[in-house]
This record gives sequence, structure tokens and C-alpha cells, in this order.
Amino acid sequence: AQSVTQLGSHVSVSEGALVLLRCNYSSSVPPYLFWYVQYPNQGLQLLLKYTTGATLVKGINGFEAEFKKSETSFHLTKPSAHMSDAAEYFCAVHGGSQGNLIFGKGTKLSVKP
Amino acid sequence: EAGVVQSPRYKIIEKKQPVAFWCNPISGHNTLYWYLQNLGQGPELLIRYENEEAVDDSQLPKDRFSAERLKGVDSTLKIQPAELGDSAVYLCASSGGAGPQETQYFGPGTRLLVL
Repeated sequence: AQSVTQLGSHVSVSEGALVLLRCNYSSSVPPYLFWYVQYPNQGLQLLLKYTTGATLVKGINGFEAEFKKSETSFHLTKPSAHMSDAAEYFCAVHGGSQGNLIFGKGTKLSVKP
Repeated sequence: EAGVVQSPRYKIIEKKQPVAFWCNPISGHNTLYWYLQNLGQGPELLIRYENEEAVDDSQLPKDRFSAERLKGVDSTLKIQPAELGDSAVYLCASSGGAGPQETQYFGPGTRLLVL
């Protein structure tokens, strides 16, 4: 069965600092991994996804994530945080034959001026 | 291109009342999902449709929840009767297919409060 663990329910960084949001997964099949962002009172927006191929995936808004099979990780990074990055971030793994996404509990990112 | 549309955006009802949520997926998307998002949690699948067929409803509490997707386009999710624990955000998503590489596009959600 697939599962996702996001370390840290709340991360706070200063504007301009590195953003690192951690995600570890468990999957019985080759994983397809996703990062979504949710702004207050809005739905989820895809940041990036890993399917196959290159393990470093670049997404929107300057975010990227690296798939590390040996560490079962898919951490999200951004070199320099902006105030507009403040939101909740969800890591997800595809549920295989079920067709759904299995989400972590989310990490709320705060950006201090 | 229009995104996934959901209505209403907010709903407040008293317990034991019925409630319905509506979803219009992205044009051409055959796969439609309803997810439940409790406060402080990630979304969890309630039901998945391929066209008009519900192919995975194993997580749908069938004693009080029902869903339909007439003509394989719009979908409605109903709760009857609602309970206090149903207060949550109900998200609809759609994708061009059910394969693992497909991106699921989410609507803004319906925030339900049961009093």
C-alpha cells in the first residue's frame, strides 16, 4: 500500500531564505509523486510531478523536487522564499490501481519579512 | 480553459438536514473524483468516476452519502442526513485519464459546516 509522510506540519522561513519541505513515501510499485500547493480557501494547484525519467523535477514558481529512491524521499525546495509562497503544501503519491492520490497531512509554510 | 467548477462554495446547515454539492469538471476530462478534506489533513478519496461509472466508491459512507454523474459530465455529491462530523471541505477533481502520470485538477471546494 502507498503512503506519504510529511515531516513538519509548520515551517517558517525568512523572505529570501531557502525553502525545504520534506516528504517521504512508501510504495509497493514504482511511485508517481506530486506536490500540490493550497492557498487559503482555494483548491489544490499542481506544483510539479515525478513520473519517470529525470529525478530532478522543476515546477512552477521556482520550486523543484528531487526523487531519491534509495531514501524514499521527494523533498520540495526553492532557493529564495517570497512572501507569496506562504501557503499549505501537500505531497502525494499515486494510489496505483485505485487511481486516486494519497496525500500527506500537509506542511504550512510561513514566510517572514 | 475553464477549471473545475464547484458550487456552492460555502454551506451551513443544521444536523440531520440534507445537502448537495455540484461539480463541473474540465471539458473532455473523463475521470472525476470527489475528495474529503478534514481540517489539518490532506484530501482523501470518496469516489472516482470513469465517465458515468463509479469505479471506486469503497471509501464512500453509503449509509448517508450518495453520488451520481449523469451523462459522464457533471457530478453531484449528496449527504442525507448530515452529521456534525461531516463538517469539512469537499473537493472535486478531474483528469484526462486515470493513469498514474495524469494530473488531477482540483476545484476550489465546498466548505460545509454542520451545526
